[in-house]
Amino acid sequence: DQQVKQNSPSLSVQEGRISILNCDYTNSMFDYFLWYKKYPAEGPTFLISISSIKDKNEDGRFTVFLNKSAKHLSLHIVPSQPGDSAVYFCAAGTPNTGNQFYFGTGTSLTVIP
Amino acid sequence: SQTIHQWPATLVQPVGSPLSLECTVEGTSNPNLYWYRQAAGRGLQLLFYSVGIGQISSEVPQNLSASRPQDRQFILSSKKLLLSDSGFYLCAWSGRLNEKLFFGSGTQLSVL
Repeated sequence: DQQVKQNSPSLSVQEGRISILNCDYTNSMFDYFLWYKKYPAEGPTFLISISSIKDKNEDGRFTVFLNKSAKHLSLHIVPSQPGDSAVYFCAAGTPNTGNQFYFGTGTSLTVIP
Repeated sequence: SQTIHQWPATLVQPVGSPLSLECTVEGTSNPNLYWYRQAAGRGLQLLFYSVGIGQISSEVPQNLSASRPQDRQFILSSKKLLLSDSGFYLCAWSGRLNEKLFFGSGTQLSVL
């Protein structure tokens, strides 16, 4: 059963515009959330995280929003750049309990110059 | 600083052959270790994780196995590969607080 879902397999955005990547989860016990960026044939690299005590976390062009009641989080990239073209994975878990992170299926972002 | 090494980068194996993928972590002690697989067109599936030497938890039943003979070494094995074992295998580690995973560069396995 997929506990973390990314329902959009792909997204195309013009350079300079906002990219919004969405992620839904089913387990209300999840209290820590991560976003990773992955290029082909490489391992994912960490982008940004958020804990359930916050509803927003910002790092440069990247902002993650968390809506606990809706069990939904999103990653905003503003402005989008061609180098942002990659597959983005969200992950959710309960690290304080020693449990594992569960990943979504990924969204392939293409930023068009 | 901490680094994670995973090899080989690519591997082509015939069906029924054995498999051994190795992962080592440097610059930290007592890490949590993980094996993930990304099959074609799919997300990251957790296969195994380990919180200590000799302690392995399996998330998905399959013909793969994992071992942790040393604190910072994690090995993924199979006695007989299946076609469905093809995919991109990723090793990862996290600290004891487990708040972030650090991934290796991955192994592209093709079973023919």
